[in-house]
Amino acid sequence: DVKVTQSSRYLVKRTGEKVFLECVQDMDHENMFWYRQDPGLGLRLIYFSYDVKMKEKGDIPEGYSVSREKKERFSLILESASTNQTSMYLCASSLSAGPGTFFGPGTRLTVL
Amino acid sequence: QKEVEQDPGPLSVPEGAIVSLNCTYSNSAFQYFMWYRQYSRKGPELLMYTYSSGNKEDGRFTAQVDKSSKYISLFIRDSQPSDSATYLCAMSAISGTYKYIFGTGTRLKVLA
Repeated sequence: DVKVTQSSRYLVKRTGEKVFLECVQDMDHENMFWYRQDPGLGLRLIYFSYDVKMKEKGDIPEGYSVSREKKERFSLILESASTNQTSMYLCASSLSAGPGTFFGPGTRLTVL
Repeated sequence: QKEVEQDPGPLSVPEGAIVSLNCTYSNSAFQYFMWYRQYSRKGPELLMYTYSSGNKEDGRFTAQVDKSSKYISLFIRDSQPSDSATYLCAMSAISGTYKYIFGTGTRLKVLA
């Protein structure tokens, strides 16, 4: 059974803190993604990676960075958390040639 | 105008009803269409995947694509309270691409 796991389900951080969100997939997928999901705005792509050490900006990369040192692991970094980064963060993965994207359970981040 | 439009609901139906969920889109290049189900506080899970126009059936679920009208539908027969969730459509122009465009989701409530 395909599996995408995220390091935390709930996270509370203070403004200005550096925040790491970790994601691991066990499906040997080439592509990995970070989305944020906000009411009324749907899923918005922050960054994606199509190979180890490769990354590309999505639609809303400002304030975020990513790291992919191993194929199965994709990290999202908030260099200096701000209150407008309070959101649900979803990691996902997919095959390059396959249909659909498989999502993790999400991390609900609150920045105070 | 958003590339993908989806009525947010909520849509409330009695148990056993046939449910119709819909998305419209503006990009005629879209060829791959997906439906995801998202339970509260969980990540989206892939329900149906279709390519180009036509219908696809899987148990109680039928996905329909009308490319001429730029309109896709998900039908749920014999709806159950366990179908209560938010349903997201997603679409892309190329298989396996990172460029999935998601709708904002329709919240469905099936009343026992």
